[in-house]
Amino acid sequence: NAGVTQTPKFRILKIGQSMTLQCTQDMNHNYMYWYRQDPGMGLKLIYYSVGAGITDKGEVPNGYNVSRSTTEDFPLRLELAAPSQTSVYFCASSSGQGNQPQHFGDGTRLSIL
Amino acid sequence: AQSVTQPDIHITVSEGASLELRCNYSYGATPYLFWYVQSPGQGLQLLLKYFSGDTLVQGIKGFEAEFKRSQSSFNLRKPSVHWSDAAEYFCAVGAKGGGADGLTFGKGTHLIIQP
Repeated sequence: NAGVTQTPKFRILKIGQSMTLQCTQDMNHNYMYWYRQDPGMGLKLIYYSVGAGITDKGEVPNGYNVSRSTTEDFPLRLELAAPSQTSVYFCASSSGQGNQPQHFGDGTRLSIL
Repeated sequence: AQSVTQPDIHITVSEGASLELRCNYSYGATPYLFWYVQSPGQGLQLLLKYFSGDTLVQGIKGFEAEFKRSQSSFNLRKPSVHWSDAAEYFCAVGAKGGGADGLTFGKGTHLIIQP
């Protein structure tokens, strides 16, 4: 019953540090997504993937990178952390194209100080 | 490109009262529509979805939503709210026929339940 699992749940970074947010799903979904959620702004798409080896930019990709080496995993990398990247990050997956329901992880709360 | 507007940032309702959360979408064809709920510190959980057919759809936790094409709306309703319904609610639209970049979300409505 795991669904979409994100780690860590919380993290504090210093400006300029790097880190990887992990996301894994056990539903054999081809489509995976990374969003950031800022107060009052809803969810903004950072990157998405339609299958292993295929990724593409979303609405707000600057400062982030992704890879998709397996169907299960879709890590998000921050190379040089900036205060503007303080946010809550959600990973999601779906079984089909963009019109299908998405299943979300519980999020990673990231603070850049 | 599709878009979603949730006109109400906050709504306060008394426990036991009825609830309606508004959602308006912009899309050229028949959209796929979703309502999600987010409890504090949690991810988003799907409440219900509309793809086609009956315009009144039932979801989990006693929620329902009605698709009105003429008004480009997909409002969420519940006849009697419980304190546990306090959460953030998001409306989302997807493009029929695909669009690998997923759903477009509204900015959310924060529901407060008064005792």
